[in-house]
Amino acid sequence: AQKITQTQPGMFVQEKEAVTLDCTYDTSDQSYGLFWYKQPSSGEMIFLIYQGSYDEQNATEGRYSLNFQKARKSANLVISASQLGDSAMYFCAMREGCNYGQNFVFGPGTRLSVLP
Amino acid sequence: DTGVSQDPRHKITKRGQNVTFRCDPISEHNRLYWYRQTLGQGPEFLTYFQNEAQLEKSRLLSDRFSAERPKGSFSTLEIQRTEQGDSAMYLCASSLHLEPQETQYFGPGTRLLVL
Repeated sequence: AQKITQTQPGMFVQEKEAVTLDCTYDTSDQSYGLFWYKQPSSGEMIFLIYQGSYDEQNATEGRYSLNFQKARKSANLVISASQLGDSAMYFCAMREGCNYGQNFVFGPGTRLSVLP
Repeated sequence: DTGVSQDPRHKITKRGQNVTFRCDPISEHNRLYWYRQTLGQGPEFLTYFQNEAQLEKSRLLSDRFSAERPKGSFSTLEIQRTEQGDSAMYLCASSLHLEPQETQYFGPGTRLLVL
């Protein structure tokens, strides 16, 4: 079974608009962490935002916020005021427990295209 | 630049040749990871080190693959007798273990093409 599901292979958004990228996860652990990374065409994975399973408040980092709904096991990324430079692949990832390795998995990604 | 660096950025080789990639992590990070990413997929875990010790290897890592981190700083990933199926992006990441959220920071990757 897929641990991370990203149901939107591709998304389009108009510049300056907000966009939500979906992520659902599957775990039976009580302690886990959720991450979003951005991968431009250059290939480097850029860390955007983190949400711990025990964090009561949704994480925010500048124009990025994470809509964390624990009961639904969803961790959607919201990008406000989209910019052309936001065009990239976006990956949701989960670390189960406190160790990486096999316990850290990425979803298949969503390609975001920002239109001028 | 104090981020993760990888060398080379691109490598083209013929099937059957050996290749070696290098990764230099963020200097204070004690954990280092290798991932493989094929087109249209998310990265897949290969192996990771804490200091010099290789703590975990993926079932994906065949015996043609070997990784080292001899002094707990940079790491090398070697692929022997390359096959066309090895063509992929090889990503390295590092983290500081015991940091509360322990975020992995990635390098730019090495794109391997096996002809």
